[in-house]
Amino acid sequence: AQTVTQSQPEMSVQEAETVTLSCTYDTSESNYYLFWYKQPPSRQMILVIRQEAYKQQNATENRFSVNFQKAAKSFSLKISDSQLGDTAMYFCAFMKDNAGNMLTFGGGTRLMVKP
Amino acid sequence: KAGVTQTPRYLIKTRGQQVTLSCSPISGHRSVSWYQQTPGQGLQFLFEYFSETQRNKGNFPGRFSGRQFSNSRSEMNVSTLELGDSALYLCASSRTGTASSYEQYFGPGTRLTVT
Repeated sequence: AQTVTQSQPEMSVQEAETVTLSCTYDTSESNYYLFWYKQPPSRQMILVIRQEAYKQQNATENRFSVNFQKAAKSFSLKISDSQLGDTAMYFCAFMKDNAGNMLTFGGGTRLMVKP
Repeated sequence: KAGVTQTPRYLIKTRGQQVTLSCSPISGHRSVSWYQQTPGQGLQFLFEYFSETQRNKGNFPGRFSGRQFSNSRSEMNVSTLELGDSALYLCASSRTGTASSYEQYFGPGTRLTVT
């Protein structure tokens, strides 16, 4: 079974600054996918970024980027130029390859962007 | 393109009753997954349906069941409701049943309160 751990229950950052959210996972699988999801107060879960385990290059999506360390089983999310709209719960999630759409989520990090 | 819709959005039930929640995926999406979100347990996978077949099942008692129709719409049923079933139930859809189709789109959720 897979486990996903987010060690920072809450974080805050000033608008326009950079913040990094941590995530570690445990798995015996060699092929898998990692995701960061955002859940704003509206509760609508939104995919932020994904990373294929077989890719060494870290994924980026506009202001969002990841630091994927496969050997250390670490998958952190960096948000650059933080905006007020980034205020949300952020969940790290794991999915095995070729096993259907079953996500294992971490406990989440509540991010507050302050003006 | 219409997003994932879930009905009803809010529901209040009494212990011992049963409830049925509905999820309509994005047009063309054949995989539907269900998740339970609670403050104590976080986000937990319930089950996934793909082409009317249950593909994966999480660690929930048999009181939780689901099904998928030929038009990919899915329902989940909880029988003999308990107070601990109070949660936000999220549905997610994607085009295929493999992780390579990473675009899982979540619905707004159904907030179930059991009294």
